[in-house]
Amino acid sequence: ETGVTQSPTHLIKTRGQQVTLRCSSQSGHNTVSWYQQALGQGPQFIFQYYREEENGRGNFPPRFSGLQFPNYSSELNVNALELDDSALYLCASSFSRGWDTEAFFGQGTRLTVV
Amino acid sequence: AQSVTQLDSHVSVSEGTPVLLRCNYSSSYSPSLFWYVQHPNKGLQLLLKYTSAATLVKGINGFEAEFKKSETSFHLTKPSAHMSDAAEYFCVVNPYNNDMRFGAGTRLTVKP
Repeated sequence: ETGVTQSPTHLIKTRGQQVTLRCSSQSGHNTVSWYQQALGQGPQFIFQYYREEENGRGNFPPRFSGLQFPNYSSELNVNALELDDSALYLCASSFSRGWDTEAFFGQGTRLTVV
Repeated sequence: AQSVTQLDSHVSVSEGTPVLLRCNYSSSYSPSLFWYVQHPNKGLQLLLKYTSAATLVKGINGFEAEFKKSETSFHLTKPSAHMSDAAEYFCVVNPYNNDMRFGAGTRLTVKP
């Protein structure tokens, strides 16, 4: 176990709805990254938060947004859900934003959009 | 742009035989490289990482990888496969902007 917890573990939403996924980072970690893993593919970087500020963003539309709270937990919000948003969403925390820092992953939230 | 290519989508070995999972990277400067493993219904776990120190990197569970700049490769090896090694393996490059780039993954099957 990494100490990174995500909730919920599974979720079913209807196209057009909005969803919020949550992540509690490992104790002592101030950096959280979110990834989308479609079935049969590697994870793709959505964005990273460092000390409550966005610190990099991948190639995802603005309807993917996030927050990081003072306790360094984080939320991923997705508006206007599309069928292609169905995926495993992974959260990873690390103790710094350094490029050589190990990221510790949660078990993910599996989102199904119908 | 920084990226990785995992050359095999699926590798099958017999228990007790060597494992080789191949990864080539593309980077305009010396990158940070990682191998992660993903077991079914579990999160990603770091096996090992290369950060410009020793080119031969030893990781957990007997895995190791060698960084070869001339070949732009970072192949993962293990001398003797165990049934518990069956999983999905990801090669990852981390550019300075922390946009970790995952390969498509290699599914390792271990036959008894």
